[in-house]
Amino acid sequence: DAKTTQPPSMDCAEGRAANLPCNHSTISGNEYVYWYRQIHSQGPQYIIHGLKNNETNEMASLIITEDRKSSTLILPHATLRDTAVYYCIVRVRISSGSARQLTFGSGTQLTVLP
Amino acid sequence: NAGVTQTPKFQVLKTGQSMTLQCAQDMNHEYMSWYRQDPGMGLRLIHYSVGAGITDQGEVPNGYNVSRSTTEDFPLRLLSAAPSQTSVYFCASSYGGADGSPLHFGNGTRLTVT
Repeated sequence: DAKTTQPPSMDCAEGRAANLPCNHSTISGNEYVYWYRQIHSQGPQYIIHGLKNNETNEMASLIITEDRKSSTLILPHATLRDTAVYYCIVRVRISSGSARQLTFGSGTQLTVLP
Repeated sequence: NAGVTQTPKFQVLKTGQSMTLQCAQDMNHEYMSWYRQDPGMGLRLIHYSVGAGITDQGEVPNGYNVSRSTTEDFPLRLLSAAPSQTSVYFCASSYGGADGSPLHFGNGTRLTVT
């Protein structure tokens, strides 16, 4: 199963871009990279996902390297409300049936500083 | 715009008691699932369903039952609560179980078993 590696913590100044890296060197060709965040103990919030191409939505941009072994989540103008734990996830197939389990690692604690 | 709704938000049980955690979604999602989140262990899949009348086990199904009589609802039943089931439980849904369908999470039920 593909695993992900993220730095445990990062700081970012309010209003600046936050760039969160993730390594997923064992990702297979048909596995998507997902990003979620969790604020305090709320439910994980979906941010963005991608397969090969870079993606952008109203929340963030996702840059995936050509070899797909790493990616970067970009929050273009971080605010204090973006302080959260950010999870980079490859959705892996589990042994029972076709379900794909989200395997959450320990994530990156992003702190946006005023 | 309710999304995924979980009730109750908090629950305390005594060992041996039973209860049902409720989960409802209003997005007409086919796929629904239950996760538990324990400190330092990420989210682990308990049970999932790919549609009404169809359920299957995830990674940690022991001690839990599910049923899916409607598209909207996916209750999780604890048959005889144990202290090891103290955790935060999240329900999630998506259009399908395949890659490319992001999961949307509820805000969780915090369960303590004494």
